[in-house]
Amino acid sequence: GDSVTQMEGPVTLSEEAFLTINCTYTATGYPSLFWYVQYPGEGLQLLLKATKADDKGSNKGFEATYRKETTSFHLEKGSVQVSDSAVYFCALISAGGTSYGKLTFGQGTILTVHP
Amino acid sequence: NAGVMQNPRHLVRRRGQEARLRCSPMKGHSHVYWYRQLPEEGLKFMVYLQKENIIDESGMPKERFSAEFPKEGPSILRIQQVVRGDSAAYFCASSPQTATNEKLFFGSGTQLSVL
Repeated sequence: GDSVTQMEGPVTLSEEAFLTINCTYTATGYPSLFWYVQYPGEGLQLLLKATKADDKGSNKGFEATYRKETTSFHLEKGSVQVSDSAVYFCALISAGGTSYGKLTFGQGTILTVHP
Repeated sequence: NAGVMQNPRHLVRRRGQEARLRCSPMKGHSHVYWYRQLPEEGLKFMVYLQKENIIDESGMPKERFSAEFPKEGPSILRIQQVVRGDSAAYFCASSPQTATNEKLFFGSGTQLSVL
């Protein structure tokens, strides 16, 4: 079955540091890939997505590129801020699978950014 | 414009009691999804409902768990005779229609603790 594996957390960085959160997946065909973010006390929000190989999703300074050859969708940001402190989830929906919101999630990575 | 509302935020139950988790979707949304996050794991799909219909319950445990989304009122996830292994965060999401993976809005979850 489908699965998503994220790097072990938590991740602690200083403000303006470079961020990478690794995400790899197992799925048949070409799934759609997502990053969700959960800020303290809030629900998950869609951060960015990519629907085909070599697509780059981007939002709020975050980027992730859909790499079919390495089955990866790593999240990056060049300069993190304290306000980026949150839990980040990588997720997918199988190609040819259900069209509704039946996502497969990774376990989440806690990011803490210090001033 | 209220988001997806879940209550209670925290629920404590003793083994053998019943737990009822409520989810009010965003205004205008008629599709509800429930996910469960066990400790150290990613969110796992449980069930997908439309008003008065269960569309996909492939992720629901076969016993003790049930879900409904009545014509009026919130969606309810009900767990009978809770056990310690039911302790988890339960997330609800809603969407205005099917095939809208990027229009899936999550609530902030209910943390269930079973003593």
